[in-house]
Amino acid sequence: QKEVEQNSGPLSVPEGAIASLNCTYSDRGSQSFFWYRQYSGKSPELIMFIYSNGDKEDGRFTAQLNKASQYVSLLIRDSQPSDSATYLCAVNSGGSNYKLTFGKGTLLTVNP
Amino acid sequence: DTAVSQTPKYLVTQMGNDKSIKCEQNLGHDTMYWYKQDSKKFLKIMFSYNNKELIINETVPNRFSPKSPDKAHLNLHINSLELGDSAVYFCASNGLHYNTGELFFGEGSRLTVL
Repeated sequence: QKEVEQNSGPLSVPEGAIASLNCTYSDRGSQSFFWYRQYSGKSPELIMFIYSNGDKEDGRFTAQLNKASQYVSLLIRDSQPSDSATYLCAVNSGGSNYKLTFGKGTLLTVNP
Repeated sequence: DTAVSQTPKYLVTQMGNDKSIKCEQNLGHDTMYWYKQDSKKFLKIMFSYNNKELIINETVPNRFSPKSPDKAHLNLHINSLELGDSAVYFCASNGLHYNTGELFFGEGSRLTVL
């Protein structure tokens, strides 16, 4: 069973702080990794994807990947109340068929 | 224009009934999916079709039957509904020729079985 693990939270940070979200995965052969954001009652939307070891930055978001440790993280700098949502880590475990296996998500609350 | 649209958005029904959820995408994508999100927000893949061909079929009761009449449509029919089928069902599509592999989700169909 290919699994993706996340701390369910909730993770609470003050406005302006850095929020750090973590994810581990079991399938060592996984090649692509995704972070989705889901607001309450809404559908998931892609924030970041990362394929290579190291960091990838996009605005206030940085994704970090360490394939040796089977670990992927998302950092949100200068957190805003509008960042409050559930963050879903997803791993492509289906190769070219793009079968995304999701973690259970981490609920982030940014307090004004 | 809505990229991935599902109908109905809400569905309340009795145990034992049969119901269908329809999904359409206007993104020109070849691959479509059904995901189930339970009350604990766990999003789990059920099926995937690529250009009308079933390519992913997870361990799902055979009461669930997907149908793809063309690559822009993927419907989900559920027979003999059970309480545990209550969930939000998301349709999604993916253009595999794009490097991101991003899934585009519909708004979800909330199914409540009484």
